[in-house]
Amino acid sequence: SYELTQPPSVSVSPGQTARITCSGDALPKQYAYWYQQKPGQAPVLVIYKDSERPSGIPERFSGSSSGTTVTLTISGVQAEDEADYYCQSADSIVVFGGGTKLTVL
Amino acid sequence: EVQLVQSGAEVKKPGESLKISCKGSGYSFTSYWIGWVRQMPGKGLEWMGIIYPGDSDTRYSPSFQGQVTISADKSISTAYLQWSSLKASDTAMYYCARPWAALAYDSSGYLYWGQGTLVTVSS
Repeated sequence: SYELTQPPSVSVSPGQTARITCSGDALPKQYAYWYQQKPGQAPVLVIYKDSERPSGIPERFSGSSSGTTVTLTISGVQAEDEADYYCQSADSIVVFGGGTKLTVL
Repeated sequence: EVQLVQSGAEVKKPGESLKISCKGSGYSFTSYWIGWVRQMPGKGLEWMGIIYPGDSDTRYSPSFQGQVTISADKSISTAYLQWSSLKASDTAMYYCARPWAALAYDSSGYLYWGQGTLVTVSS
């Protein structure tokens, strides 16, 4: 079955840049999507089609793709960005990555 | 404004049946897929399956095929997730979600989410 692999955790200090990666064999031919989930809340789409940002999502959130890896970058991290982040893509079925807990030190 | 409103929390016993709902509004219900996502306590998101209310075309993750049934009633703009015999391991939060675009079911991320339905299965 298809899998997307994310690091379990990433830690950064406020104002620094956080990078969260997601690896999967089908990523060169399928778009990736990124979600932010805070405790007790539904997920929020922060990046679609690898690098597009939905309306209302701050510019500090960006996405990129290279081969079998996509990356969510959060520039100038703020305390409010502390959350779980999930990538999502598809290879005949839709899959989510295992999630990455972003800690703002 | 697009909204997905899910039914309330449920507490059930093992072996019981359950059907939870997700009512869409603010858009053409029959033109967009609606998916279901499970989140077990303290765990990540798992895609369960998806339905196209326009023609009831339904796809399931292999992990959930045969374990649940996804359906929709387009006359009342509502999608459903159903179990015939619950297990303790079905205890989780369940979200419905709508893709950002009217594309193929595996070609879009989910922009709109319901508030979630917490299902607790315990004897």
